[in-house]
Amino acid sequence: QKEVEQDPGPLSVPEGAIVSLNCTYSNSAFQYFMWYRQYSRKGPELLMYTYSSGNKEDGRFTAQVDKSSKYISLFIRDSQPSDSATYLCAMLHGGTRQLTFGSGTQLTVLP
Amino acid sequence: EPEVTQTPSHQVTQMGQEVILRCVPISNHLYFYWYRQILGQKVEFLVSFYNNEISEKSEIFDDQFSVERPDGSNFTLKIRSTKLEDSAMYFCASSEGFSAAEAFFGQGTRLTVV
Repeated sequence: QKEVEQDPGPLSVPEGAIVSLNCTYSNSAFQYFMWYRQYSRKGPELLMYTYSSGNKEDGRFTAQVDKSSKYISLFIRDSQPSDSATYLCAMLHGGTRQLTFGSGTQLTVLP
Repeated sequence: EPEVTQTPSHQVTQMGQEVILRCVPISNHLYFYWYRQILGQKVEFLVSFYNNEISEKSEIFDDQFSVERPDGSNFTLKIRSTKLEDSAMYFCASSEGFSAAEAFFGQGTRLTVV
């Protein structure tokens, strides 16, 4: 079983839609959960991170962590064409600085 | 806004040659990292570096790889004898504190080994 699994998509939505992106994981030691956005042939850009369980909101983005289900989500409200990118989840457990990434979900927001 | 800067953006090298990839981390950051992403695959951890020494490395980071902070601003990744399978995007990242949760990535160097 892979440590971090992420549906690769591709996912296409109309402008203004609510987007839900998800990852599951198997390592219960993960404590930090990150979402990155990656445009084609560019570096990952940190959107937000959450420590342990719960929700975190930043503008149009909301991150949710459910440690009991080993499931994390990123919601994008009022999606825009500029949100079109690959979204990567990444995870980290205490005592290490080694991020474990998902494979990324390719999102296209259609005007 | 401060950013991690990587040079060159693209490097083409012949198999067996040595390459050095360069990074300038964010100035007040203390922890530095290299990751790679083979085309179509996940971003993979290579190495973390703190206080002028390697703090963690992955199985990928074998004797062909080395890292160095030659001065107060640069952080380099050297591959001694490149192989075709080293072709990938290499990302440098840095973080201010111990937690890598707030690591910021550079734009990457595309390494092509021919």
